[in-house]
Amino acid sequence: DQQVKQNSPSLSVQEGRISILNCDYTNSMFDYFLWYKKYPAEGPTFLISISSIKDKNEDGRFTVFLNKSAKHLSLHIVPSQPGDSAVYFCAASGAGNQFYFGTGTSLTVIP
Amino acid sequence: KAGVTQTPRYLIKTRGQQVTLSCSPISGHRSVSWYQQTPGQGLQFLFEYFSETQRNKGNFPGRFSGRQFSNSRSEMNVSTLELGDSALYLCASSLLTGGAYNEQFFGPGTRLTVL
Repeated sequence: DQQVKQNSPSLSVQEGRISILNCDYTNSMFDYFLWYKKYPAEGPTFLISISSIKDKNEDGRFTVFLNKSAKHLSLHIVPSQPGDSAVYFCAASGAGNQFYFGTGTSLTVIP
Repeated sequence: KAGVTQTPRYLIKTRGQQVTLSCSPISGHRSVSWYQQTPGQGLQFLFEYFSETQRNKGNFPGRFSGRQFSNSRSEMNVSTLELGDSALYLCASSLLTGGAYNEQFFGPGTRLTVL
């Protein structure tokens, strides 16, 4: 049972434009959410997180939005750069330290 | 500070064999989690160890087991390998300070191929 879903397996965006990656979750007990970026042959690297007490968290070009009522979060990358091309995973956690990951969205930023 | 290391990076086994993968967490990190990544399935949680105790376990058969040593290094074992066990196995460590959520730091993974 996939508790965290990323329904778009891939996304292509022009350099300089906004990239929006979406993630949905089913478990209302989740209260901490993270985005990871993964390049081929490397492990995922942490990008940005948000706790359920917030609805937005910003770090440079990256902003994560959380809509608790819709059980939805999104990652905005503005402006997108070719180096952002990677697979992005969203993850969620409730009590304890177990994280549930989505299936990933492959982002391609076209120069 | 050195990152999470995993050995070996690549492994080829045949059906029915067993395999042991190793993970060394970031110095000072006491929690180690293991994940299986397959195409289309994302990262599937296997188990998490903290202070040599298994704290959480995912929905995998008993052929998948693990342990953690007193220096926080962890090993994962898969017995009676099946073709479907071919995957990238990722290890992640976190600090796990009390009461706070922790980001996980991932190693590069071990690519297991079962023939």
